[in-house]
Amino acid sequence: SQQGEEDPQALSIQEGENATMNCSYKTSINNLQWYRQNSGRGLVHLILIRSNEREKHSGRLRVTLDTSKKSSSLLITASRAADTASYFCATDAKATGRRALTFGSGTRLQVQP
Amino acid sequence: GAGVSQSPRYKVTKRGQDVALRCDPISGHVSLYWYRQALGQGPEFLTYFNYEAQQDKSGLPNDRFSAERPEGSISTLTIQRTEQRDSAMYRCASSSSPGGARETQYFGPGTRLLVL
Repeated sequence: SQQGEEDPQALSIQEGENATMNCSYKTSINNLQWYRQNSGRGLVHLILIRSNEREKHSGRLRVTLDTSKKSSSLLITASRAADTASYFCATDAKATGRRALTFGSGTRLQVQP
Repeated sequence: GAGVSQSPRYKVTKRGQDVALRCDPISGHVSLYWYRQALGQGPEFLTYFNYEAQQDKSGLPNDRFSAERPEGSISTLTIQRTEQRDSAMYRCASSSSPGGARETQYFGPGTRLLVL
């Protein structure tokens, strides 16, 4: 079953604009991770945010986490055509201690040059 | 190695045949995970190992699926008597410590399996 669900399912923006993707999850977590998947390539880890953190930055990426709402957002600033990809959030399951990641269905981002 | 590698990258097989998918994790990584990804969906967990021990196989869909990691490094995912519904991208990931989902998992390029 999918723990995380991304929103929107698809997003199309112009180069230079900001892109915001949201993720909601159902159960308590230890951390939440965001991954990117380019067409024909593997999953690339972008950023990990722990449950006791509220915001984290990495380059043009900004991730927020609201554990009270069980939601996270990924902001990509000043987007580039190379940012075109699918973006997935992934969570663990704190209650069960399950080590595997549970992924959402992803947001497909298209950045128009 | 520099990253997680998987082989073959593509596998086309006929229904009823057995297939073996290989994963070579990042050197020294303790944990190894197998996921399956359907088109347009996120990866779904199959099984994982710490060293050579299979810790969780709850995601394996049925007993036609099995995995091993005999020496705590390379792992093989085997699907017996393949069916068309097994067609998917099979992804392997590794992480440096047994912390599992508390640690970053690094993914390989995947093996795309097509069962005719």
